[in-house]
Amino acid sequence: DSGVTQTPKHLITATGQRVTLRCSPRSGDLSVYWYQQSLDQGLQFLIQYYNGEERAKGNILERFSAQQFPDLHSELNLSSLELGDSALYFCASSAFGTAHIYGYTFGSGTRLTVV
Amino acid sequence: AQTVTQSQPEMSVQEAETVTLSCTYDTSESNYYLFWYKQPPSRQMILVIRQEAYKQQNATENRFSVNFQKAAKSFSLKISDSQLGDTAMYFCAFMRRGSQGNLIFGKGTKLSVKP
Repeated sequence: DSGVTQTPKHLITATGQRVTLRCSPRSGDLSVYWYQQSLDQGLQFLIQYYNGEERAKGNILERFSAQQFPDLHSELNLSSLELGDSALYFCASSAFGTAHIYGYTFGSGTRLTVV
Repeated sequence: AQTVTQSQPEMSVQEAETVTLSCTYDTSESNYYLFWYKQPPSRQMILVIRQEAYKQQNATENRFSVNFQKAAKSFSLKISDSQLGDTAMYFCAFMRRGSQGNLIFGKGTKLSVKP
């Protein structure tokens, strides 16, 4: 157990639907990162939060949004889902200013399948 | 923009042998960090080893070592005494200093260790 908890582990939904993926960072970590892993695009950075504030955005679609709550858990919301959104979505966390030293701690991911 | 290239989609090695995974990257930055992550079938992303660009000495972690060639922008991973548990996807990743800790990943190399 890495200490980063992602729920659900698997999710199957239909095109056009909306889903919410949840992440609880490792205890003490204030930074949360979301990544999408797909066969064709590989691992792509989506968005980063630090202590409730958005810090950086990557290749995140406008249909996707995220937030980090006061208790530091984060949610990634995916709407108007398309078949191409099927992927493994990872959450990772790090302590402030240490990502370059220790890397991230990753969760085990949420496997999203859009049918 | 930075890019990371792993030119070997798949590799295999016999148990107890040594294998080297290649990684090249493209950047105009002088201060950055490089990582190797392992993703076993359990899909958990695990940090294997990291290197700071300003350090000439190659990083080593037990059976894992890197060959960092800054001028050539090359960052290969050597696994000695390969074990069955080393079977996994291996991802090379780049982090620009001051980038809020966001990682840019290569497409990965699938390593199979054969008994």
